[in-house]
Amino acid sequence: QITLKESGPSLVKPTQTLTLTCSCSGFSLTTSGVGVGWIRQPPGKALEWLALIYWDDDQHYHPSLQSRLTITKDTSNNQVVLTMTNMDPQDTATYYCAHLPLIPGASAYDTFDVWGQGTMVTVSS
Amino acid sequence: DIVLTQSPGTLSLSPGERATLSCRPSQSVSSSYLAWYQQKPGQAPRLLIYGASRRATGIPDRFSGSGSGTEFTLTINKLEPEDFAVYYCQQYGPSPRTFGQGTKVEVK
Repeated sequence: QITLKESGPSLVKPTQTLTLTCSCSGFSLTTSGVGVGWIRQPPGKALEWLALIYWDDDQHYHPSLQSRLTITKDTSNNQVVLTMTNMDPQDTATYYCAHLPLIPGASAYDTFDVWGQGTMVTVSS
Repeated sequence: DIVLTQSPGTLSLSPGERATLSCRPSQSVSSSYLAWYQQKPGQAPRLLIYGASRRATGIPDRFSGSGSGTEFTLTINKLEPEDFAVYYCQQYGPSPRTFGQGTKVEVK
């Protein structure tokens, strides 16, 4: 069974750097065809994709946030880490990580098929 | 970026009725790269449909997706009480992946 769980600070100050960790189980980040993405949702608003990393370390970022984001894998702990610099109150949101299968012919190919529960981050001084 | 416009914003229906939700991309999206998610209050989104019309694992067959190009539809036949939620479409063709603003299906 695939599960993901986000962790990180619930409160950060403006201009600080946010570091979020996605702990993954039921699959390995080194298995061919595996990806993990980060998506956020401000309170009462829509979803916004942020970043994606694949088993081969290929990384993709939302262009409007690319300069502030870094996504990496910790394969020894089967975790994906997202850092976001220069946090602003407008970055207040629930941050989700999600599993993405990139195996041709597989169910849910290239979509976020399993999501973590999310972690709420508030940016305030 | 491809903008996805969902309509209506809110759909007020009774259990047992049919819900028809629309998603219109600002430019053509390959039907292979359009998904629908359901989100209930306080919960993470759940994948319903991918590839425009393929149901994800465990999704009841009252949920169906259709469409192509710049017009996609999610249909929920015979609404069950647990189907009242917010629904998002998402395109995963050209980067960046984008989501619609959501359609809320509420109890009439």
